[in-house]
Amino acid sequence: EAQVTQNPRYLITVTGKKLTVTCSQNMNHEYMSWYRQDPGLGLRQIYYSMNVEVTDKGDVPEGYKVSRKEKRNFPLILESPSPNQTSLYFCASSLYRNTEAFFGQGTRLTVV
Amino acid sequence: QQPVQSPQAVILREGEDAVINCSSSKALYSVHWYRQKHGEAPVFLMILLKGGEQKGHEKISASFNEKKQQSSLYLTASQLSYSGTYFCGTDPGNQFYFGTGTSLTVIP
Repeated sequence: EAQVTQNPRYLITVTGKKLTVTCSQNMNHEYMSWYRQDPGLGLRQIYYSMNVEVTDKGDVPEGYKVSRKEKRNFPLILESPSPNQTSLYFCASSLYRNTEAFFGQGTRLTVV
Repeated sequence: QQPVQSPQAVILREGEDAVINCSSSKALYSVHWYRQKHGEAPVFLMILLKGGEQKGHEKISASFNEKKQQSSLYLTASQLSYSGTYFCGTDPGNQFYFGTGTSLTVIP
């Protein structure tokens, strides 16, 4: 089954404790993205990757890191989480930037 | 660069029609439309790639005016299952921008 898998689904952590949210797709897609969703602000792109080893900043990259060592995986890293990073996060993949995107099930992160 | 959607929210009775608009200040290569139900991930509806092209199936269609950098989503004879938040998405470059969303509620 074609899918994007994110883990974990829920995470509560403390300020400053490094964490990684994993994202994996099995569709051989080139383009992958991370978004955060906050009430009233819609989905905002954090980072995107056009292909393996090619990543770039989206609209709200501060406080986040990503890597794309393999085509299927695109982890999101928060080196030192802060409460303003409490949000709902989605990973998405598409064959190219302007084709249908498939979203993971989301990760609800709370930083206390 | 985030596209602007209007209206922010709309309530319909079953069978009524609705139009959701999306406007960008930047030149666009394409416009995407997604629907998100509460507690779920966004789901793809359609992509429009050329100016003036209208796409859709059954009772949901969309248009894209490339010159005006605007797109509209048309929902006709709405059903209860249409309820959710609708997002347009645009790609003025390699980045991707979603609008702030339009909450649509269909009541019996």
